[in-house]
Amino acid sequence: KNEVEQSPQNLTAQEGEFITINCSYSVGISALHWLQQHPGGGIVSLFMLSSGKKKHGRLIATINIQEKHSSLHITASHPRDSAVYICAVRWWGGSQGNLIFGKGTKLSVKP
Amino acid sequence: DTEVTQTPKHLVMGMTNKKSLKCEQHMGHRAMYWYKQKAKKPPELMFVYSYEKLSINESVPSRFSPECPNSSLLNLHLHALQPEDSALYLCASSPLGLAGNEQFFGPGTRLTVL
Repeated sequence: KNEVEQSPQNLTAQEGEFITINCSYSVGISALHWLQQHPGGGIVSLFMLSSGKKKHGRLIATINIQEKHSSLHITASHPRDSAVYICAVRWWGGSQGNLIFGKGTKLSVKP
Repeated sequence: DTEVTQTPKHLVMGMTNKKSLKCEQHMGHRAMYWYKQKAKKPPELMFVYSYEKLSINESVPSRFSPECPNSSLLNLHLHALQPEDSALYLCASSPLGLAGNEQFFGPGTRLTVL
């Protein structure tokens, strides 16, 4: 399987800080997903990207296909943003629905 | 309706029990998935259904038996499970056709096998 790498693995921030989580992957992909999972909870899809940039509220996701890299930014972070953020890719060699997941970034935002 | 629902939220079962997990979506998605997630690990794909037919089985033990009775429902039947099967079981759905279609995840069923 092709690897998806996220950094950092853990991130602690103060409320209000600007946060960046990075994702790198090694092969051609058809789409990249950013997912959010609160402790003990299910997964929420934040973004699906195949190019460019998307914004939703305080969240911004960018992808650079040539560099095989994506970033998730959170502006004006809040304690409720504390969660695990997971990058997942659908690579061209994969079959229907076969996402390759990163190990996740655990974000903790302190008040 | 843009959500995937799963029942029950929590399930505790013994190794000799038979139980079922249920997943439902009304978004018209024709692909549905079961994932298993252990603590602090990313989800692992178990099964994929396309047009109500099993298209992917990721070498899952036969004590897990999926069923897709119609385009809105996905079940996972459990029998003779082991304690190491304790995990969060996630269901997801997506449209078919285009590569990389967004998957919508349910809240999960937290399973404990005693």
